[in-house]
Amino acid sequence: RKEVEQDPGPFNVPEGATVAFNCTYSNSASQSFFWYRQDCRKEPKLLMSVYSSGNEDGRFTAQLNRASQYISLLIRDSKLSDSATYLCVVNVMDTGRRALTFGSGTRLQVQP
Amino acid sequence: GAVVSQHPSWVICKSGTSVKIECRSLDFQATTMFWYRQFPKQSLMLMATSNEGSKATYEQGVEKDKFLINHASLTLSTLTVTSAHPEDSSFYICSASEGSHRYFGPGTRLTVT
Repeated sequence: RKEVEQDPGPFNVPEGATVAFNCTYSNSASQSFFWYRQDCRKEPKLLMSVYSSGNEDGRFTAQLNRASQYISLLIRDSKLSDSATYLCVVNVMDTGRRALTFGSGTRLQVQP
Repeated sequence: GAVVSQHPSWVICKSGTSVKIECRSLDFQATTMFWYRQFPKQSLMLMATSNEGSKATYEQGVEKDKFLINHASLTLSTLTVTSAHPEDSSFYICSASEGSHRYFGPGTRLTVT
């Protein structure tokens, strides 16, 4: 079983649509959670951290459910520039590892 | 903000040759850097953790004699792919930490012919 699982998509949505991505993680010792965005042939860039209380940054809302080991990202009023692959990322500290574990990503294509 | 650079950004080499990839933290010191590999349409997979002044820690399944890591200074880590083969063709990305923040290099696309 993968440590971080995501629906690969692609999600094809029209401009202005609301789209939600889900992610599950297997290691209950995971302590930090993030959504990254990766454009084609580029490095991943941090979109937002995810907190248990839920957090919002403009059109983006992230939620974390520790009991279900589930993370979500909601994008409202989609823009063409939102087209990218969205990576769910967790950080596990139980073995002293500080590296991030990435999901395989969910591809979003926003269409005019 | 903090910047991590990688060099080269892309490289094509013949099978059997070795390729060195550099990762630099440009305006901060990084005692730890991470090397990832990403195959097409797959996630970033951690290869190894590079520790300044000590041996790298390799993930299970990653051959330390094939992927040589040197972290000789607080701003530079190098990954050398020795005796490269076509199956080593991939996108190699380094990452460095400054406090709680993680910064990624722009990646190096390696193609082995």
